Amino acid sequence: DQQVKQNSPSLSVQEGRISILNCDYTNSMFDYFLWYKKYPAEGPTFLISISSIKDKNEDGRFTVFLNKSAKHLSLHIVPSQPGDSAVYFCAANFGNEKLTFGTGTRLTIIP
Amino acid sequence: ETGVTQTPRHLVMGMTNKKSLKCEQHLGHNAMYWYKQSAKKPLELMFVYNFKEQTENNSVPSRFSPECPNSSHLFLHLHTLQPEDSALYLCASSQDLGGAFTDTQYFGPGTRLTVL
Repeated sequence: DQQVKQNSPSLSVQEGRISILNCDYTNSMFDYFLWYKKYPAEGPTFLISISSIKDKNEDGRFTVFLNKSAKHLSLHIVPSQPGDSAVYFCAANFGNEKLTFGTGTRLTIIP
Repeated sequence: ETGVTQTPRHLVMGMTNKKSLKCEQHLGHNAMYWYKQSAKKPLELMFVYNFKEQTENNSVPSRFSPECPNSSHLFLHLHTLQPEDSALYLCASSQDLGGAFTDTQYFGPGTRLTVL
């Protein structure tokens, strides 16, 4: 049973436009959410996180939105740059539980 | 070197071989993790060590045997693996586990394992 779902395996966006990556979760206990970015041949790197007490967290070009009622979060990247092309993983957990990861979305920024 | 390093980067082994994956972190962290990344599947946590003690074994088959001699090094010993064990094995570290698995984890580049 996949508790964290990224239903879009891939996404292509024009450079300069907004990239929106989506993530849905089923476990209502989750209270902490993270996004990781992974380049080929490298491990995932932490990008941004959000606690369930917030509905938005912004860091430069990256903003994460959390909709608890819909059990949905999204990562917005604006403006998108070629270096943003990577696989993005959503992860979630609560309390002392381990992180549960989604399957990832491959983002391609078209110059 | 800085960050989290893993060796080898690629490994091909037969089902009867014994091999080991090595992970080293240069970040002064106390917690280390092994993850498995199979194609089109979520990243799966395998083992967690905190201050050299194993705190999590996520129902991993005994053909995978972790070892953590100190807070900077983590090994994954492999023996009689199956072809379905072919995957990317990622090591990660974090400052510590604290009250939750929320400490930012820093990942190594992974070892691409192929079992023939």
